[in-house]
Amino acid sequence: KAGVTQTPRYLIKTRGQQVTLSCSPISGHRSVSWYQQTPGQGLQFLFEYFSETQRNKGNFPGRFSGRQFSNSRSEMNVSTLELGDSALYLCASSLRHSLGIREEETQYFGPGTRLLVL
Amino acid sequence: DQQVKQNSPSLSVQEGRISILNCDYTNSMFDYFLWYKKYPAEGPTFLISISSIKDKNEDGRFTVFLNKSAKHLSLHIVPSQPGDSAVYFCAASFYGGSQGNLIFGKGTKLSVKP
Repeated sequence: KAGVTQTPRYLIKTRGQQVTLSCSPISGHRSVSWYQQTPGQGLQFLFEYFSETQRNKGNFPGRFSGRQFSNSRSEMNVSTLELGDSALYLCASSLRHSLGIREEETQYFGPGTRLLVL
Repeated sequence: DQQVKQNSPSLSVQEGRISILNCDYTNSMFDYFLWYKKYPAEGPTFLISISSIKDKNEDGRFTVFLNKSAKHLSLHIVPSQPGDSAVYFCAASFYGGSQGNLIFGKGTKLSVKP
């Protein structure tokens, strides 16, 4: 079955602009999480959505927001972009909200959206 | 404060030899640990996991060892193959906890030389 897809794959924006990234989870997966990956900080959790509700939020400013639609597709938005927002944004989907020991209960990641802020 | 640490940013190993990737954690409440592998231009893929009720879990060439008293886990790859060259992330969480509770290390880049 198809994996997690993210669009666009690459994006260049300038400071002050806003951006919307999209994620389509694996069919049947209802949990979608977003991560920011930078060379210095590794993967940092942004937020998790399950059944259209935000279940968890990481330690990021309010400029970072997200939502999930009834078909489990998710979008994240970053407003007033800063240079430090340049990163790889990864989306991950999973069957359940809670972590499980079986592989199918873990997260499956998309290829990411590479955002460059100039 | 980093709760999951991978102190070696890179590791180089000869094909056929053992690769050992290390990970330390600070929160003794973590009871579920995972390893992910990431190739360039792709998202991380799940490799192997272990819960705190075990001290070892094997899957083919990959074995994860957990030392709870030392708050340390390691991933052994035997024998190493050039296709194993990737960035490996260690992650820790709470079994049954939210997917969003997964805390990742910064990764170790493994290079397996033919």
